[in-house]
Amino acid sequence: NAGVMQNPRHLVRRRGQEARLRCSPMKGHSHVYWYRQLPEEGLKFMVYLQKENIIDESGMPKERFSAEFPKEGPSILRIQQVVRGDSAAYFCASSPTSGGKNYGYTFGSGTRLTVV
Amino acid sequence: DQQVKQNSPSLSVQEGRISILNCDYTNSMFDYFLWYKKYPAEGPTFLISISSIKDKNEDGRFTVFLNKSAKHLSLHIVPSQPGDSAVYFCAASPTGNQFYFGTGTSLTVIP
Repeated sequence: NAGVMQNPRHLVRRRGQEARLRCSPMKGHSHVYWYRQLPEEGLKFMVYLQKENIIDESGMPKERFSAEFPKEGPSILRIQQVVRGDSAAYFCASSPTSGGKNYGYTFGSGTRLTVV
Repeated sequence: DQQVKQNSPSLSVQEGRISILNCDYTNSMFDYFLWYKKYPAEGPTFLISISSIKDKNEDGRFTVFLNKSAKHLSLHIVPSQPGDSAVYFCAASPTGNQFYFGTGTSLTVIP
């Protein structure tokens, strides 16, 4: 019974390239959340998705960032034309129902993106 | 705009003693509060939650206290064990979906 699986664990991209981060939620979980942790900071909410729907993207930068959670397959966080400021740890979390208010989310181990 | 603040970046406690981690928030609309524990190179692990209708929730060695009037949250760990050494994040949400995280407190339990 695997937990939330994120890949790759480490990703190095040159400025201007695209980064694709994948997240497979826990079995039975249909709600996915993406968070970003910049160095020396806490986790910051980016986007909340259900299958084929974006529910809340209030934390997503307006440009270059997009997320999807298709009917089949993992959730993808896509960053186009990466810049050095995008270097961070990106965490995905999932929950079986709307919100993690009682039991919290289950987080993956994160993808560490380094832009050189 | 940091809506959830953990003002102590680090805390050291002797094994067997009580660890108290504090958290303050500014948004009076927050109704759900969580504590997470994080080891290096791993994702956060859920520890304990509390909703605004309660002022205390206990789970084994972990107790969370909520003081809504002071907008203050604390996590008590007793007795502290070396395996508790990690970074602890508090998180709050108005809806239970989008959570606002503090910057974390690094706890070291000294054997």
